[in-house]
Amino acid sequence: SQTIHQWPATLVQPVGSPLSLECTVEGTSNPNLYWYRQAAGRGLQLLFYSVGIGQISSEVPQNLSASRPQDRQFILSSKKLLLSDSGFYLCAWTPPRPNTGELFFGEGSRLTVL
Amino acid sequence: AQKVTQAQTEISVVEKEDVTLDCVYETRDTTYYLFWYKQPPSGELVFLIRRNSFDEQNEISGRYSWNFQKSTSSFNFTITASQVVDSAVYFCALRPNNAGNMLTFGGGTRLMVKP
Repeated sequence: SQTIHQWPATLVQPVGSPLSLECTVEGTSNPNLYWYRQAAGRGLQLLFYSVGIGQISSEVPQNLSASRPQDRQFILSSKKLLLSDSGFYLCAWTPPRPNTGELFFGEGSRLTVL
Repeated sequence: AQKVTQAQTEISVVEKEDVTLDCVYETRDTTYYLFWYKQPPSGELVFLIRRNSFDEQNEISGRYSWNFQKSTSSFNFTITASQVVDSAVYFCALRPNNAGNMLTFGGGTRLMVKP
């Protein structure tokens, strides 16, 4: 069966520090991968998605970036965090197309920028 | 462009009450999928149901039921005899068939079930 893990689960970082959140999917090949952010009390915002190694699409301009160095690994990074980067970050995957579209989410990473 | 509206930002009920979470969507596509997800306090989103736009048959799964009305572009979710464990944020989402794997989420409804 397929599983998705992301870490760290919680992170407290000062403004201006770097960020690296990692997500790994197991039990499938060539998944589509996604990073979502959920600000406090708000809905889900798609940040990045990837259909293959090295292929990243950005949905929202910001100081965050994503990379996919391996087929089942998706990394969210920042060189200098802002206060507004605080939130709950969710990694998700779907099988490669064709598929019925439901996303399968990781456990989430809660980032607090002070 | 797609849009999903969950007008109820927060609902509070007492245990054993029935509760309906509303979801209204907008899309120009004739074929699409609709979804409901549950986000318990732990944070992870849990997939609940997928509905194809061709299938307007309502679905029941235990205490959960879904009412898909294509004529009113609604996909409402009812919990019967609510329990404290149902407390969570619930998201409705839409994916047109030609949108790749892009889901458009509603803003979510926070359901609080009190004992």
